[in-house]
Amino acid sequence: TQLLEQSPQFLSIQEGENLTVYCNSSSVFSSLQWYRQEPGEGPVLLVTVVTGGEVKKLKRLTFQFGDARKDSSLHITAAQPGDTGLYLCAGAFTNAGKSTFGDGTTLTVKP
Amino acid sequence: NAGVTQTPKFQVLKTGQSMTLQCAQDMNHNSMYWYRQDPGMGLRLIYYSASEGTTDKGEVPNGYNVSRLNKREFSLRLESAAPSQTSVYFCASSEVGYVTTFGSGTRLTVV
Repeated sequence: TQLLEQSPQFLSIQEGENLTVYCNSSSVFSSLQWYRQEPGEGPVLLVTVVTGGEVKKLKRLTFQFGDARKDSSLHITAAQPGDTGLYLCAGAFTNAGKSTFGDGTTLTVKP
Repeated sequence: NAGVTQTPKFQVLKTGQSMTLQCAQDMNHNSMYWYRQDPGMGLRLIYYSASEGTTDKGEVPNGYNVSRLNKREFSLRLESAAPSQTSVYFCASSEVGYVTTFGSGTRLTVV
C-alpha cells in the first residue's frame, strides 16, 4: 500500500518555466519532508513542514503543507538546469522516525 | 564534515553469498536507518535504530539483519543474498523524528 502518492512521476520542462509537483495521502502526518536526489547520490533534505497550512520558501522553491496535514506541494519558479533531479516527499507520523517515502518526481530542466 | 559514510560503494555478489554493509556517522545522531531504493518504488525502510542498543524492523526486513555496534555505526548484513536484493542501499541518520542525512549509497548486484 502506497501511503504517499507523488505526481507527476516525470516532468520535462524548458529553463525558465514554472512547475508544481504534488504529494498526496489519505493519512495525517505530524511532519512532511522534501528531498532532492541527484544521480549516484543520496537524497538531500530541502525542507520540513510541520503546521497545517504552512508555507516555506527556499530561494525559487516554495513548499506548502495542506491544512489537514495530508498533502503538500512544491512549486519551482523559473526552473534552471541545476534543479534537475528526483524530488522525494516523506511523511512522518510520530517522532519515532519511521518516515514513509513517496516514489518521487523526476524533473528534467532543459537549457 | 563526513556526515554519513557507507562502504563499499559497489558490490557484486553471487546468489547465496553473504556480506555486511557498513555505515558510520560523525554527527552524534541517536537514530540511524537502512533503506533500499529500487526503480519506481521510492525508498523503503529495512531496519532502523532509534538509539544505541535498540533496533526495529521497517517495511521490508526479510533477508536482512542489523547491528547497532555503537552510537556511530550501524551495519546491515545479508546472510544469503538473492537476486531480489539487487538494489541501492542507503544508510541515514537523524536527531529528530525524520531522516536528515543520507549516505551516498551502496550499489549491490546479486547474480
